[in-house]
Amino acid sequence: NAGVTQTPKFQVLKTGQSMTLQCAQDMNHNSMYWYRQDPGMGLRLIYYSASEGTTDKGEVPNGYNVSRLNKREFSLRLESAAPSQTSVYFCASRDSTAVNYGYTFGSGTRLTVV
Amino acid sequence: DQQVKQNSPSLSVQEGRISILNCDYTNSMFDYFLWYKKYPAEGPTFLISISSIKDKNEDGRFTVFLNKSAKHLSLHIVPSQPGDSAVYFCAARVFGNEKLTFGTGTRLTIIP
Repeated sequence: NAGVTQTPKFQVLKTGQSMTLQCAQDMNHNSMYWYRQDPGMGLRLIYYSASEGTTDKGEVPNGYNVSRLNKREFSLRLESAAPSQTSVYFCASRDSTAVNYGYTFGSGTRLTVV
Repeated sequence: DQQVKQNSPSLSVQEGRISILNCDYTNSMFDYFLWYKKYPAEGPTFLISISSIKDKNEDGRFTVFLNKSAKHLSLHIVPSQPGDSAVYFCAARVFGNEKLTFGTGTRLTIIP
């Protein structure tokens, strides 16, 4: 099925460890996004990429880096994980020509940093 | 600074009745508004949207109303069905900005 695929679905890290969250979409969308969801906070934008080769900071970029590897893939890296980064991470993509501006989200990565 | 607010964390409605979910915003530059629905262990899915030039948009059982003077939007679900039990997020966009700003969500429970 077409959509946004995130890996892994679950991860436990120790403080200071690094990891990369992977995201791929097969809908030929130009724009891709990384959000985090925390209780009582809604979804907050970490980074986004409006097109292949470009990335920009969102609302909460500190502690993260991103790579738009090609049109399909947008990865999120935690260089030195901290307990404050315990969250559910969602990748999303959007057809920048679409009228309704709706994102397509992946199913999420639940990350726990201990 | 929460620019999009959903003040009701939860709502319970009897099956067949109307569900009304509310959302308030503070940024007058928002020009497009969306509702997303989220089931546990899944990503949010787009439900319905409305442009600031309209005051109502309908799609089947779902209707979104926008009151710009009050900076308020609402989502009406009629009739409510058990499958509507989920968390609903409202979101808003400033024209020309890639970013969507989300509310904190309202958990809707439909009682059979």
